[in-house]
Amino acid sequence: DAGVIQSPRHEVTEMGQEVTLRCKPISGHNSLFWYRQTMMRGLELLIYFNNNVPIDDSGMPEDRFSAKMPNASFSTLKIQPSEPRDSAVYFCASSYQGTGGTMNTEAFFGQGTRLTVV
Amino acid sequence: RKEVEQDPGPFNVPEGATVAFNCTYSNSASQSFFWYRQDCRKEPKLLMSVYSSGNEDGRFTAQLNRASQYISLLIRDSKLSDSATYLCVVNMSPGDNDMRFGAGTRLTV
Repeated sequence: DAGVIQSPRHEVTEMGQEVTLRCKPISGHNSLFWYRQTMMRGLELLIYFNNNVPIDDSGMPEDRFSAKMPNASFSTLKIQPSEPRDSAVYFCASSYQGTGGTMNTEAFFGQGTRLTVV
Repeated sequence: RKEVEQDPGPFNVPEGATVAFNCTYSNSASQSFFWYRQDCRKEPKLLMSVYSSGNEDGRFTAQLNRASQYISLLIRDSKLSDSATYLCVVNMSPGDNDMRFGAGTRLTV
């Protein structure tokens, strides 16, 4: 298995531009997470999906951020318009949640997208 | 109160030392707990799950204290290769798979 695949690995964009980050979870996983990591705030959960349905998006900082998961093998995180304070590493992770939901398997992370907004 | 709290460190220890990290969590209903390791400029990776009875993997021992709502990680005989950031992870809502990370504790051996 190729693991969680994120693209692009690096993105440099100008303030005001739209940025789209992409993620392909591990095949068979039914939970997908978007995290943002900065030195100041650590690893923050932005949004997560179970079976392609957004469960909790309370971590999405502003309306400028949106995430979609049109199918089980693809998700996007979009920032429009981007601002310098959005500069961070964005991680996508996936895991498998069994029925019953009381125990969950580990989350596997992609290599991240390093976003710089200038 | 933050959902998952860790002492950010840094912890600087000599080779061979024993070092322990603690992590507290806010939701008493949490069921799943993990320790992840993150190397510089890399993604977090699972170090070990934390079971109710405690568990050991070589030089690493994880403990869970539900009454006080904290988990711990003990590293014995520290090696240079243990230098990394250690992240505590708590599933805050097992029915929904709400995985929250602590800010991480930086260890330098």
